[in-house]
Amino acid sequence: EPEVTQTPSHQVTQMGQEVILRCVPISNHLYFYWYRQILGQKVEFLVSFYNNEISEKSEIFDDQFSVERPDGSNFTLKIRSTKLEDSAMYFCATRAKNYGYTFGSGTRLTVV
Amino acid sequence: GESVGLHLPTLSVQEGDNSIINCAYSNSASDYFIWYKQESGKGPQFIIDIRSNMDKRQGQRVTVLLNKTVKHLSLQIAATQPGDSAVYFCAENINFGNEKLTFGTGTRLTIIP
Repeated sequence: EPEVTQTPSHQVTQMGQEVILRCVPISNHLYFYWYRQILGQKVEFLVSFYNNEISEKSEIFDDQFSVERPDGSNFTLKIRSTKLEDSAMYFCATRAKNYGYTFGSGTRLTVV
Repeated sequence: GESVGLHLPTLSVQEGDNSIINCAYSNSASDYFIWYKQESGKGPQFIIDIRSNMDKRQGQRVTVLLNKTVKHLSLQIAATQPGDSAVYFCAENINFGNEKLTFGTGTRLTIIP
């Protein structure tokens, strides 16, 4: 069964540093998303991406966050200057038109 | 604001028994609902979905019921197995094909051997 692959599985970074989280979508999927889940809390929407541009973003997705699909395959989430409260599981999700979402296994980001 | 929530944060069920997990949603415009299972250290895994033009949908050992009158969603798992132990989330979506999912807070289901 096709999978959404996320790397790294765990990232530890110092506060103020930049991090890039990577996702390899399922090959025929056109819609890409990032969600995050703070420990013990619900999954929260961050951003959606279609046709090489952001289609919707949440209040969480401020100027410190950016997404891109630099090489037509990887879909990345960059946090420019990490804060302690950015510590969470970050999930990439992708889908084809009119089909359900497939989530990756997540990247656990720990900001120290 | 609009929200999706769950009535019970934890549920323990004897192996082999049936379980029911409930979810309340508040956005009457939502027309697509999904149940996800999340095991420790993993991403949400699709279980079953239902569109608002239906009130019941069955899968393998799982049934989702939708009551639009009271904005209530439930997931029934029949003949529970140890592998069913996980956190279960409901999620809602507006205009299937639209962008984001709104997740509930989750119910932890524990299957007692």
